[in-house]
Amino acid sequence: GESVGLHLPTLSVQEGDNSIINCAYSNSASDYFIWYKQESGKGPQFIIDIRSNMDKRQGQRVTVLLNKTVKHLSLQIAATQPGDSAVYFCAENISGYNKLIFGAGTRLAVHP
Amino acid sequence: EAEVAQSPRYKITEKSQAVAFWCDPISGHATLYWYRQILGQGPELLVQFQDESVVDDSQLPKDRFSAERLKGVDSTLKIQPAELGDSAMYLCASSWRGRAGTGELFFGEGSRLTVL
Repeated sequence: GESVGLHLPTLSVQEGDNSIINCAYSNSASDYFIWYKQESGKGPQFIIDIRSNMDKRQGQRVTVLLNKTVKHLSLQIAATQPGDSAVYFCAENISGYNKLIFGAGTRLAVHP
Repeated sequence: EAEVAQSPRYKITEKSQAVAFWCDPISGHATLYWYRQILGQGPELLVQFQDESVVDDSQLPKDRFSAERLKGVDSTLKIQPAELGDSAMYLCASSWRGRAGTGELFFGEGSRLTVL
């Protein structure tokens, strides 16, 4: 079936650099997307979301970009810190279904 | 700060045994979800409750898995008999009524199951 996926399983960055985590989705009926952060041994934690009628949304140090033409989602983290080290998941909500479908995740490793 | 409570945090069992996980959602949250997360993968929805009713269990292996939320508050997920492939993290999440589409989905810390 249709699913959300990620381009890179692992991303290593230097502390202070910007990070970009990518996600591809295939369901054109998805109207809402979320990025979650999951630290080792913990449950996923909401980071930022975006609706399909937007192409960009900014939070504190994070920005989500949505390109509906190529069905691509990205999470940008500015000035990456050691505390950002975690696995990041994108998730989509299919219009009318009221449930989240998660991608496989990208591990972000921040090096000093 | 309100949070979703789950127990046990860790469970080790032998195959063919029965296991049960418990979840207490954030007070007032009408929607409760059970997800399974295999190591290295994203969470997969097993079952979704609206109050005490199941609204989606299409991905729940019903020959061995069962879930209930009798009074529309806390919930139990049971596996009987457990198989080696059931080793995973079982995550519970809750939200206000039907608001998964708004990102207001709060996860517990999960229950890590290891089947030997």
